[in-house]
Amino acid sequence: DAMVIQNPRYQVTQFGKPVTLSCSQTLNHNVMYWYQQKSSQAPKLLFHYYDKDFNNEADTPDNFQSRRPNTSFCFLDIRSPGLGDAAMYLCATSSSSGTSYEQYFGPGTRLTVT
Amino acid sequence: RKEVEQDPGPFNVPEGATVAFNCTYSNSASQSFFWYRQDCRKEPKLLMSVYSSGNEDGRFTAQLNRASQYISLLIRDSKLSDSATYLCVVNTRGFSGGYNKLIFGAGTRLAVHP
Repeated sequence: DAMVIQNPRYQVTQFGKPVTLSCSQTLNHNVMYWYQQKSSQAPKLLFHYYDKDFNNEADTPDNFQSRRPNTSFCFLDIRSPGLGDAAMYLCATSSSSGTSYEQYFGPGTRLTVT
Repeated sequence: RKEVEQDPGPFNVPEGATVAFNCTYSNSASQSFFWYRQDCRKEPKLLMSVYSSGNEDGRFTAQLNRASQYISLLIRDSKLSDSATYLCVVNTRGFSGGYNKLIFGAGTRLAVHP
């Protein structure tokens, strides 16, 4: 089945220790998104790739970076995680070629910072 | 003011009850509207799109009032399996603008009990 996959599902890192979360998709969608979701809050868009073009949200901290080496893969790098970065990180994809605005979400990576 | 506002709940209802959720959005230029469902510690999944004429999918009915910038979701004959958080989602930018940006509400929690 076509899907969005995130690895790992659970990640524990130490304060200040860089961490990378990964996302892959078999939907062949050209747009990929990274969201941060904290408990009882709305998913917050961090950035997205439209094809190869990277688009950062204005309020996304510099601590968060992303890479998209090809259509299928996208990575979220947190350079120096703080306690406030503990959250669920959701990857999503969509296609700009159709008429549906639906975004397809991966299962998320739950990040714990100790 | 938040771009998308929802009553956080929780709504505690017995099986078989009818329950309605409301949502308001601030951007009058918003183009598309959705309800997503999110189970505890899982990713959001599209429940249904919301059209100006109103639409129904089985036990679920969605309504949009553009003049009042108001969206609703009605669930009839509630099931235990309906227990989840329901996210009101607004698309503020179509593909002509470059990408599909979804703005999420923080969600309304529904608990259906026997």
